[in-house]
Amino acid sequence: ETGVTQTPRHLVMGMTNKKSLKCEQHLGHNAMYWYKQSAKKPLELMFVYNFKEQTENNSVPSRFSPECPNSSHLFLHLHTLQPEDSALYLCASSQDILAKNIQYFGAGTRLSVL
Amino acid sequence: GQQLNQSPQSMFIQEGEDVSMNCTSSSIFNTWLWYKQDPGEGPVLLIALYKAGELTSNGRLTAQFGITRKDSFLNISASIPSDVGIYFCAGPFKLYSGGGADGLTFGKGTHLIIQP
Repeated sequence: ETGVTQTPRHLVMGMTNKKSLKCEQHLGHNAMYWYKQSAKKPLELMFVYNFKEQTENNSVPSRFSPECPNSSHLFLHLHTLQPEDSALYLCASSQDILAKNIQYFGAGTRLSVL
Repeated sequence: GQQLNQSPQSMFIQEGEDVSMNCTSSSIFNTWLWYKQDPGEGPVLLIALYKAGELTSNGRLTAQFGITRKDSFLNISASIPSDVGIYFCAGPFKLYSGGGADGLTFGKGTHLIIQP
């Protein structure tokens, strides 16, 4: 148990669906992150929130929309996804965004887009 | 972007053997992290390195921060079945230039498989 909980653990959705992934951390951290893990590719950083402020990432398609209502909760809203978006989506948290602060990961949501 | 190259991609070893893997980068890093991921789980931090030349141990695991700051090594002594998994190196990654590190960039991982 890392103190970072992700739900659901598995999700299957069609390309026209709208769904949301949820992440909650019980570590008192101020920074939260979304990563994408695809087969045979390194983990890719998608979004960063520090003290609820988002660092922009223009490389992520707009069909992925993050939300951080408070420092303990992070959402990833999914809309009209493509089959290539199927992957393991990992949430992480750290004390803040400084380099020496370790990131703790949740177990991930395995997403399949049909 | 900052790319981390891990080798080997896979290792097939016998229980009890020692394991060595490494990670290299074209850029200088000020921090090196080693994570392990078990099937169906997220990565778990094994060792964090913050200083060039630093050698740090965690039980049977030992990691070193290379002097050039462009590489790091992880060694596992006397491997046991629960060491099976994927080992990742990681370092700070900026989504945009300026400011502090925003996240982590990862290597593709080394798959450790222990043969009976």
